[in-house]
This record gives sequence, structure tokens and C-alpha cells, in this order.
Amino acid sequence: DGGITQSPKYLFRKEGQNVTLSCEQNLNHDAMYWYRQDPGQGLRLIYYSQIVNDFQKGDIAEGYSVSREKKESFPLTVTSAQKNPTAFYLCARSAPRDGRGNEQFFGPGTRLTVL
Amino acid sequence: QKEVEQNSGPLSVPEGAIASLNCTYSDRGSQSFFWYRQYSGKSPELIMSIYSNGDKEDGRFTAQLNKASQYVSLLIRDSQPSDSATYLCAVGRISYNKLIFGAGTRLAVHP
Repeated sequence: DGGITQSPKYLFRKEGQNVTLSCEQNLNHDAMYWYRQDPGQGLRLIYYSQIVNDFQKGDIAEGYSVSREKKESFPLTVTSAQKNPTAFYLCARSAPRDGRGNEQFFGPGTRLTVL
Repeated sequence: QKEVEQNSGPLSVPEGAIASLNCTYSDRGSQSFFWYRQYSGKSPELIMSIYSNGDKEDGRFTAQLNKASQYVSLLIRDSQPSDSATYLCAVGRISYNKLIFGAGTRLAVHP
């Protein structure tokens, strides 16, 4: 799992509900990321965080929120404001910076379906 | 123009052949280049990293980087049916600590 876990594996949501996707890493890495993948498309960055209590918006942050209260945890909330939330959500961690890093390693993903 | 472009495929090759996957990028300041393999329904798995011009070999995989042409490729020698997957190219600047992903090329290796 690349040192990163996501839960649940599958999630079903009714329209108008907020849902929270879990992402945990056990390698003490600073940087964590959330991506969304739609069928036949690449990964689009939602939010990322490089240190505790700090995070930045990615390319498609509208309708999503995150928190980074602990180094090992970076949960993503999909709010009712997200108009088309059905997608495959991927959390990633980045290797520590050593001048040649920024490789990212992914968790197993959460497949969200809106009913 | 997309920041990272890949041919969507499918690229179909016979078992035992060389598969060649290509990726172009628009940011001339890019410093790090990655290839990920993604099986259907699974998350991407990092298979190659390359940072300098030239070739980098790891088993049956060879990554090739040409920064002047803004081009990175992945060669898979002796292709196997188990190599059938979507291959994602990712490009980044180390100082940004972010990656830009291409949409992926679907590879199908047939017996």
C-alpha cells in the first residue's frame, strides 16, 4: 500500500450529503495529496499539504475541504457543493526532499458513487 | 495545449515485443519525471523515475529523457500480458513539490 491507507474502499452518498474520505500514512512524511480520477482521464489535484496545519488548493478544490491536524492524517470532505462527485479518489504521500525527490506514492483509493 | 500529453491508445503489441510509450511536457523548468502503471480499478504504482537526460534502465523497463525536446519515453522490453495497463506520465519541479499527470496511455499486450 506504499505506506498509505485509505478508507473506505467504496462509498455511496446520497445527493446533498457531505462525506469524509480517510487517508493515513505511517512513514512520517510531510507532504500529502488528494487527487480525483474520472474514467479515461488523468489525475487532477484537489488539495495538498506540506506541513501540519497548512494546506493549499489544487486545480479543482471547489466543493471539497481538507484538514491536516496530525502529520499522519489528511482527510478529504466531499461537500454537497461538489456538483459531480462520482469519481475515484486517490491520496498520495511524497518522499522526503533530498534534492531529487518529489516522487509520490498512492494509497489504494476510494471509489465514491453518488446515488 | 495540455501541460503533459500522452497518446491515449490503446497501444497494442504482441507478447515479447518492445512497447514504446511517449510523453511530452510544456514546462521547460521541469526537473523530475515519473512513469506510473495503473491496472484497471487500482491505484497508480510508481515504476520509473528519471531526472537527467539520457536513459535509465530497470529490468525490462527503460526510461528515456530529452529535456531539449521536452520528451520522456518508457520502453518495455519482452512485453508480457501482465504489462497490460494504463501508463501515466508525471512531471514536476522539485521546488514545487507537485506533479502534473498526463491522461495515460493504455497498453494491451496480446499473446
